[in-house]
Amino acid sequence: DTAVSQTPKYLVTQMGNDKSIKCEQNLGHDTMYWYKQDSKKFLKIMFSYNNKELIINETVPNRFSPKSPDKAHLNLHINSLELGDSAVYFCASSQDWTAGNQPQHFGDGTRLSIL
Amino acid sequence: AQSVTQLDSHVSVSEGTPVLLRCNYSSSYSPSLFWYVQHPNKGLQLLLKYTSAATLVKGINGFEAEFKKSETSFHLTKPSAHMSDAAEYFCVVTGYGSSNTGKLIFGQGTTLQVKP
Repeated sequence: DTAVSQTPKYLVTQMGNDKSIKCEQNLGHDTMYWYKQDSKKFLKIMFSYNNKELIINETVPNRFSPKSPDKAHLNLHINSLELGDSAVYFCASSQDWTAGNQPQHFGDGTRLSIL
Repeated sequence: AQSVTQLDSHVSVSEGTPVLLRCNYSSSYSPSLFWYVQHPNKGLQLLLKYTSAATLVKGINGFEAEFKKSETSFHLTKPSAHMSDAAEYFCVVTGYGSSNTGKLIFGQGTTLQVKP
């Protein structure tokens, strides 16, 4: 069974559209994250939720809105997509966000391409 | 603030020869450090972690890393490279403090190429 699963794996869409990416984890973790990986493979955190509560909100355009219906799910909705949004988006989870020794478990990523 | 610097953006080795991927860290707290590997079109997989126990950490697939506080380094090594080791490797430090708690801070990545 996949521990952290994201859908879709690939997303190709036009500029200006609105799209969502879904993430689910079956590890029983309390904390989930969204990361963006740019074309140079640099990874940066975007958001984090702990048990449905937003705890990390980096400097991200407000066109990006995360939603966590329960602690096993964290979705990312993007409005008015722009060319610069093209990237790979990774979902991750960890047992506890405050314990620095907890590793994060990553999904396989969603490759978003804006035409 | 915490940060990591991976000293090589690209490392090329021959199959069967040793691998060394270098990482220096900066942290005002006692750091938790990780190495992750990313194979093409895949997510990140944890190779190993250091959390202030033994300074020599063994990970999966024959990799290990040594935490050296005096050198602020956490280099990743493997005695003998395998073709399947070709991937992108990330050195990561855990953020601490009011603005960084809960965050993983990534290095720039090192691409490991393994030649037959």
